[in-house]
Amino acid sequence: DAGVTQSPTHLIKTRGQQVTLRCSPKSGHDTVSWYQQALGQGPQFIFQYYEEEERQRGNFPDRFSGHQFPNYSSELNVNALLLGDSALYLCASSLEEGVSYEQYFGPGTRLTVT
Amino acid sequence: QKEVEQNSGPLSVPEGAIASLNCTYSDRGSQSFFWYRQYSGKSPELIMSIYSNGDQEDGRFTAQLNKASQYVSLLIRDSQPSDSATYLCAVNGQSNYQLIWGAGTKLIIKP
Repeated sequence: DAGVTQSPTHLIKTRGQQVTLRCSPKSGHDTVSWYQQALGQGPQFIFQYYEEEERQRGNFPDRFSGHQFPNYSSELNVNALLLGDSALYLCASSLEEGVSYEQYFGPGTRLTVT
Repeated sequence: QKEVEQNSGPLSVPEGAIASLNCTYSDRGSQSFFWYRQYSGKSPELIMSIYSNGDQEDGRFTAQLNKASQYVSLLIRDSQPSDSATYLCAVNGQSNYQLIWGAGTKLIIKP
């Protein structure tokens, strides 16, 4: 049973650049959520995708955008990178049908902005 | 502002003892409650889910929920050094689409 995968594992970018992070959900899952986690803090919700649409968004600026593909995989794009965007970016997948609302995380992408 | 509060710790527990981790939440409408374990430098791993008042047990782990007091706890019996990690409490937000997270409690199990 394939778990959630993310790429790349680590990334170093310069302030002002753009970055794309990728996520493949757990086998059988159709919903993808993205979170940002700064050191020593809990994850912060960025947005969630279902049926290729963003259906809920957290308190993040428009520089953060995303996409979900027909195979349920997803991308997170961040434009005009700021030093404060340095964090662990987590993708979580879940299944829309059912009552558990359990989310399963990938290994994350560590983004460093210099 | 919906919030989830946890004591940041560190909580130090002798090996073999019971570790007790606590979490309070502000939104009375919350219906789904989760405990995640996160090792340093790794991603969160789901270890317990609970949806109704009372206890939910899985092996050495027991989750307890009291909706009247807006309180969730995690008990770890027979604590092992491998249980040393940060434990994150998460509660469903509006429409169940997002999780609201506590900042986590760092647990240290002393051999």
